[in-house]
Amino acid sequence: SQQGEEDPQALSIQEGENATMNCSYKTSINNLQWYRQNSGRGLVHLILIRSNEREKHSGRLRVTLDTSKKSSSLLITASRAADTASYFCATAPISGGYNKLIFGAGTRLAVHP
Amino acid sequence: KAGVTQTPRYLIKTRGQQVTLSCSPISGHRSVSWYQQTPGQGLQFLFEYFSETQRNKGNFPGRFSGRQFSNSRSEMNVSTLELGDSALYLCASSWAGTSGGFSTDTQYFGPGTRLTVL
Repeated sequence: SQQGEEDPQALSIQEGENATMNCSYKTSINNLQWYRQNSGRGLVHLILIRSNEREKHSGRLRVTLDTSKKSSSLLITASRAADTASYFCATAPISGGYNKLIFGAGTRLAVHP
Repeated sequence: KAGVTQTPRYLIKTRGQQVTLSCSPISGHRSVSWYQQTPGQGLQFLFEYFSETQRNKGNFPGRFSGRQFSNSRSEMNVSTLELGDSALYLCASSWAGTSGGFSTDTQYFGPGTRLTVL
């Protein structure tokens, strides 16, 4: 079963708007990673945030992690049409063993010009 | 650095056949993991290899197997294919093994192999 659940399942916005995606998980983790996938292609790594971190930034991306609530959020600011993709959170559970990531179902983001 | 490469990119097989997929990790990366992605089950972990040893395994039947070579390249094999094995198979590489039994490294994914079983 999947550990992570993303919310919303789909998000449709206009270019220039901000997009926020949320992820919840069930067990204690070592880190949480966000990935982007375009049309069934490979996953592109966006950000890794460790369990002892609360916030990380990378360009237009901002990720927060609240381990007490077992949740994370990904904010994309000033969205572009090229940001249209599916976004997945993936957790590395402490009990998961070596390099096992558990993925959520993903959020489908559509950014309209 | 070149990214993770997977071959072939597309495969069509019939039920009962077997298939071998290949993955070349980023140069210097020693860990290779495999994932299956389907519309119904999403992304699921298959197994992880480090230094030619399988260190972790997901909840898949024994028809799914893999191996890693001394140059860190990895292959996965699916025997006696079933219709439900149709999926995108992704491999990921990371820099080194982990300590303490959990992942600390960023994983970099390849473009995937799209397997269709007829």
